[in-house]
Order: sequence, then structure tokens, then C-alpha cells
Amino acid sequence: QVHLQESGPGLVEPSETLSLTCSVSGFSISSAFFWGWVRQPPGKGLQWIGSVSHSGGSYFSPSLKSRVTISLDTPYDQVSLELTSVTAADTALYFCVRQRGGNHLFDYWGQGTLVTVSS
Amino acid sequence: QTVVTQEPSFSVSPGGTVTLTCGLTSASVSIYNYPTWYQQTPGQAPRTLIYSTDTRSSGVPDRFSGSIVGDKAALTITGAQADDECDYYCLLYMGRGISVFGGGTKLTVL
Repeated sequence: QVHLQESGPGLVEPSETLSLTCSVSGFSISSAFFWGWVRQPPGKGLQWIGSVSHSGGSYFSPSLKSRVTISLDTPYDQVSLELTSVTAADTALYFCVRQRGGNHLFDYWGQGTLVTVSS
Repeated sequence: QTVVTQEPSFSVSPGGTVTLTCGLTSASVSIYNYPTWYQQTPGQAPRTLIYSTDTRSSGVPDRFSGSIVGDKAALTITGAQADDECDYYCLLYMGRGISVFGGGTKLTVL
């Protein structure tokens, strides 16, 4: 069974960089599919952040592209997210996801980790 | 900038039928947008209901169905139950690797 688990600081100061890690078990991230992140501000809707594949393909939300880095650490089956220059608007529940390439479905989700941007 | 639209809220009576829609501000939704529908209860990860317009995800009851109606994707729930009361999100593929969620519909069963 595929399992995704997010981890990282729950509090980040404004203007700093948000860094999260997703540990994947039950599947090798170098085998196939895209791996990425989706976030949800408190009381609001879902927002796709970006997705990358082991073969080098990478796609990002146009509104976040300039601040986002997503990378794959294949030996450890980990997916990382870095979001620079954060503001209070980046406060959200961050989900790690697996995305299928053909139908673009996010078929596996982590439980999510809440990140608050505040001084 | 293209926006994915959903009804902010909808209400259905227990046992009733409801159709939620997912549209685009500047185009028609087609099968090539690979419409996907997710169900979410607060604080939980979304659950896939329908993908590729009308394919039901494993374990999803056949009370849930997806389609294209006119220029929008649609999620129809028949025989609504109390535990269907939650948030529903559509996701559309916009091409060039870009995916966009709708704003979500809060469904009330009463």
C-alpha cells in the first residue's frame, strides 16, 4: 500500500523559506508517476502547487512558480518542497500527492501538515 | 487567467438527487480537461470520487456519477445520505502540465 507522510516545521517566519519533506513508502518514486504538493489555507479551497517526475518533467502553478522548488530524493523515496519569501497568505495545510501522468489524477495523498507563517 | 468555477454551496434533501457543476470562465470543459471530483471532510485529505470525467474510483458507490453537461463537468449524487454532507472539489487539467482546482462546493443534506 502506498503511503505518504509529510514532515517539517509547523511555524515559519515571514520572508523566510518554508521547507517540507514527504516520505513515501510502498512505492519507489523513481519507478513512475509525478510527485508533488497541494495546499489548503484554513477554511478555504485546494490549490495545486506543482508536480515533478523522476524523468525530469516539472510543472508548477503559474502563481507560485517563481517561489517554488520541488525535488526528488530517489534513494530515500522522499519528495521535498521549498517555498521562498513566505507571507501569512502561505499559511495552509500542505498535502504531498502522487499524480498519474495519463489522466492527471492525484491518486494518493498524505494526511497533510499545517504550516503557519507568523512572527 | 482561467478560473475553474463551482457553486459555493448546494442543498439536497435526504434521498434526493443533486448535480454539482464545474466550469471554466473562458472556455467549455471537455474530456481533455480530465475532470476529477474529490470529496473532503474538514481536516482530512480529499478522497477521489470520479476521474477522467466519468470513471468511478475504487470503492465509490454508484450513487456518484460524473459527466459533461453542456459546457461543464458535472457530479451527480443520487439517493443523498447524511454522510454526503461535506465539501466537493473539481480538478481540471489545463494542458502543459497545469492542473487547477475549483473553489469547492459545500453540500448540505437536510
